[in-house]
Amino acid sequence: RKEVEQDPGPFNVPEGATVAFNCTYSNSASQSFFWYRQDCRKEPKLLMSVYSSGNEDGRFTAQLNRASQYISLLIRDSKLSDSATYLCVVNSIGNAGNMLTFGGGTRLMVKP
Amino acid sequence: EPEVTQTPSHQVTQMGQEVILRCVPISNHLYFYWYRQILGQKVEFLVSFYNNEISEKSEIFDDQFSVERPDGSNFTLKIRSTKLEDSAMYFCASTGKASYNSPLHFGNGTRLTVT
Repeated sequence: RKEVEQDPGPFNVPEGATVAFNCTYSNSASQSFFWYRQDCRKEPKLLMSVYSSGNEDGRFTAQLNRASQYISLLIRDSKLSDSATYLCVVNSIGNAGNMLTFGGGTRLMVKP
Repeated sequence: EPEVTQTPSHQVTQMGQEVILRCVPISNHLYFYWYRQILGQKVEFLVSFYNNEISEKSEIFDDQFSVERPDGSNFTLKIRSTKLEDSAMYFCASTGKASYNSPLHFGNGTRLTVT
């Protein structure tokens, strides 16, 4: 089983739509969870951390279900500039603390 | 906002040659990382580095790879004898803390092409 699994997409949505991405992870001892955004041939950039109680940052809402080992990201009122690949990222337990395991990413294309 | 910077942005080399990829982490950060991403694939952990030594490394990071922090500001990744399958984007990252919920700051990457 892949350590962090995501639907690769692409998700093609019109501007203004609400879109949700899901992610599952296999390591039940994982401590921290993040969503990163990656534009084509660019570096991953942190979008938001994911907290157990769920958290919101503007149009973005992240949820974590530890029992099901499932993470989600909801984007409301999507903009053209939201077009990117969204990476689900999980912190694996390691000596240095921050050995991140990346999912393969879900590609979002927002159309006018 | 402080940035992690990487040079060169693109490196082309012949199979069997040595390459050194350079990174300047954010100045007050203490933990440094290399990740790579083969075109069309996921980002993969290579190595973490703290207090002038490797903290953790993946299976990818075999004895052809080495890292160094030669002068307190640069952080380098050396590949001794490049193979075609080493072609990838290489991302350097740094963080000020090793806590599990400290996000990493990634550099803009070096695209390595091995011919």
